[in-house]
Amino acid sequence: QSALTQPRSVSGSPGQSVTISCTGTSSDVGGYDYVSWYQHHPGKAPKVMIYDVSKRPAGVPDRFSGSKSGNTASLTVSGLQAEDEADYYCCSYAGSHSWVFGGGTKLTVL
Amino acid sequence: EPQLVESGGGLVQPGGSLRLSCAASGFTFSSFAMTWVRQAPGKGLEWVSIIAAGGGRTYYADSVKGRFTISRDNSKNTLYLEMNSLRVDDTALYYCSKGEPGDLGPWGQGTLVTVSS
Repeated sequence: QSALTQPRSVSGSPGQSVTISCTGTSSDVGGYDYVSWYQHHPGKAPKVMIYDVSKRPAGVPDRFSGSKSGNTASLTVSGLQAEDEADYYCCSYAGSHSWVFGGGTKLTVL
Repeated sequence: EPQLVESGGGLVQPGGSLRLSCAASGFTFSSFAMTWVRQAPGKGLEWVSIIAAGGGRTYYADSVKGRFTISRDNSKNTLYLEMNSLRVDDTALYYCSKGEPGDLGPWGQGTLVTVSS
C-alpha cells in the first residue's frame, strides 16, 4: 500500500491550464478504472472533483477533467481561476477492498 | 443535505486508546458503506478503514490492522473507530466519509487525534 506519486507543486496563471500527474502501479492505478481526484482547501472537507478516472460530479466545472494512461492518471484544470488554488489528491482502488491516495499536489494560481 | 460530524479526538499518550464517532444525517445511513481517512500534519491523505452498509464486512490499511476497529450503529446513524495501541505516527486529522473513496461523499470536517507523551 505505497502512496501514489504526485508532484509536490504545480502552478499556473489565471486562464492557463495545468496538469497534475498521479503515478502508481499495475496493482492500483493501472489495474482499475477507479481513480478519483479530491480538491482540499485547508480547514475544509475534501471534495471529489473527478471519479472513475474521468467522470465529473454534478456541480463541478467542466474546466476539470481526468484521464489515465497505463499506470499514470492525470487531472487537468483548464482556464485556471483563483479559487482553484488548493491541494489536490488522487486516489485509486488497490484491490482486496483497499484504497491508496497520492501524496498531494499544491496548485498555486500565480 | 447529507452531513457528517466527527467527534472524539484529543490528546492521548502512546499505547493509549481513543474512540472516534461520526454522526450522519440527511441520508439513509444504513444503505451506504462508510470510510475513515486520515491526514497527518503536513502529510497527504491516507485511507484507514471501510465498513459495509450492514456492518458485516470491514477492511483496514496495513498500518492500522490489528489495532483499529471500525463499527457502526445503524439505529443511531453513527460510525465509530476504536483505536488501540496508539502510536505517535497515528497523530492526524481523522475524517469520515459516506461511501467508498471515490464516491461523491460528503466528508466531515475531521477530528484531531494527537498521540504524544
